Amino acid sequence: AQSVSQHNHHVILSEAASLELGCNYSYGGTVNLFWYVQYPGQHLQLLLKYFSGDPLVKGIKGFEAEFIKSKFSFNLRKPSVQWSDTAEYFCAVNAGYGGSQGNLIFGKGTKLSVKP
Amino acid sequence: NAGVTQTPKFQVLKTGQSMTLQCAQDMNHEYMSWYRQDPGMGLRLIHYSVGAGITDQGEVPNGYNVSRSTTEDFPLRLLSAAPSQTSVYFCASRPDRDGPYEQYFGPGTRLTVT
Repeated sequence: AQSVSQHNHHVILSEAASLELGCNYSYGGTVNLFWYVQYPGQHLQLLLKYFSGDPLVKGIKGFEAEFIKSKFSFNLRKPSVQWSDTAEYFCAVNAGYGGSQGNLIFGKGTKLSVKP
Repeated sequence: NAGVTQTPKFQVLKTGQSMTLQCAQDMNHEYMSWYRQDPGMGLRLIHYSVGAGITDQGEVPNGYNVSRSTTEDFPLRLLSAAPSQTSVYFCASRPDRDGPYEQYFGPGTRLTVT
């Protein structure tokens, strides 16, 4: 069965620090990869997604992620975080579309707290 | 477009009560799904549907029923609520065809079972 691991449960950074959140998945076939963000009290919003092509994908609000197929990883990065980036971040994977392949498997999430 | 809408936003139930969480989307998406979010557990899939009349179980289906009579609506029913069903419930939808499609999430329903 597919699974997604997020290495850090809670990350605390000061403003302007660089961010890298780890995500590894277990699945042998073609996958689609996503990072979602949940700001306090809000619903999930898509930060970025990878389906094919350039393994370095850029998302909203200055976030980017790199897909490394050999490492089954899709780490999220941001060069300089802001207080407004305080949120919970979820990595997710699916195998495509059509029935259960379209189901998203989520990691347990990483809480990011940015100190002003 | 309103996107994915959910009602109610908050609900308190007593153990053994039943209720239906409503979910609707106006994007003509074939695929719809229900997740529950619990602290430290991420989101876990309860049920999903790839079209009207077609539903299937996800990772944690016990205690929940779904039906899909129209493309737009995908209600989630709790037949006899239990404290273990205290959670935040999210509905999501996406097109069910090949392409770079992500799931769009509703605002969630926070359910407390006492």
